[in-house]
Amino acid sequence: DGGITQSPKYLFRKEGQNVTLSCEQNLNHDAMYWYRQDPGQGLRLIYYSQIVNDFQKGDIAEGYSVSREKKESFPLTVTSAQKNPTAFYLCASRDPGREQYFGPGTRLTVT
Amino acid sequence: AQTVTQSQPEMSVQEAETVTLSCTYDTSESDYYLFWYKQPPSRQMILVIRQEAYKQQNATENRFSVNFQKAAKSFSLKISDSQLGDAAMYFCAYRSAVHAAGNKLTFGGGTRVLVKP
Repeated sequence: DGGITQSPKYLFRKEGQNVTLSCEQNLNHDAMYWYRQDPGQGLRLIYYSQIVNDFQKGDIAEGYSVSREKKESFPLTVTSAQKNPTAFYLCASRDPGREQYFGPGTRLTVT
Repeated sequence: AQTVTQSQPEMSVQEAETVTLSCTYDTSESDYYLFWYKQPPSRQMILVIRQEAYKQQNATENRFSVNFQKAAKSFSLKISDSQLGDAAMYFCAYRSAVHAAGNKLTFGGGTRVLVKP
């Protein structure tokens, strides 16, 4: 079945540690996106990539980094520079002419 | 930059009744897309309905319909014959039609819909 996989569903880290969230898609989509969702709020764009080896900052990129070495993978690293990393993170992908398709999300808790 | 505002944090509706969710947006663009997404407790984002700004006709998907008022920059969602499964967070979203903009989505803050049996 085609879809987006985000693993793990729940992730716990100590403050000061970098952590990488996985996003894999087998939909053959060119574009991929990372959003952050805080409790009771809408999604905010962190980074996006329209093609392999290229990506752009979204509205809240500070403290995050990404890579796009393969079409199917778009990992997000939450660095220690991110002041409030605890949040729900959603990955999405898109085919030209269609809308974004979302993964199930990863809940990151940093203590 | 575009902004999307949902002024109703929570709405309650009786099963089988109708509820309308409000959304306003701000943009200087003339061509764009508007969406309503549903986020149930599973937190999976599900596309409910899409409206293209250049189309005057309001979009409809089964029990879901929109009232798109371009001049007023208003985009409301009507859920008819509400069902228990409609209980969720609903997000209004905007996307520019300009390809160079990266097809990014800008979301409102969400409205929680409660359905009473």
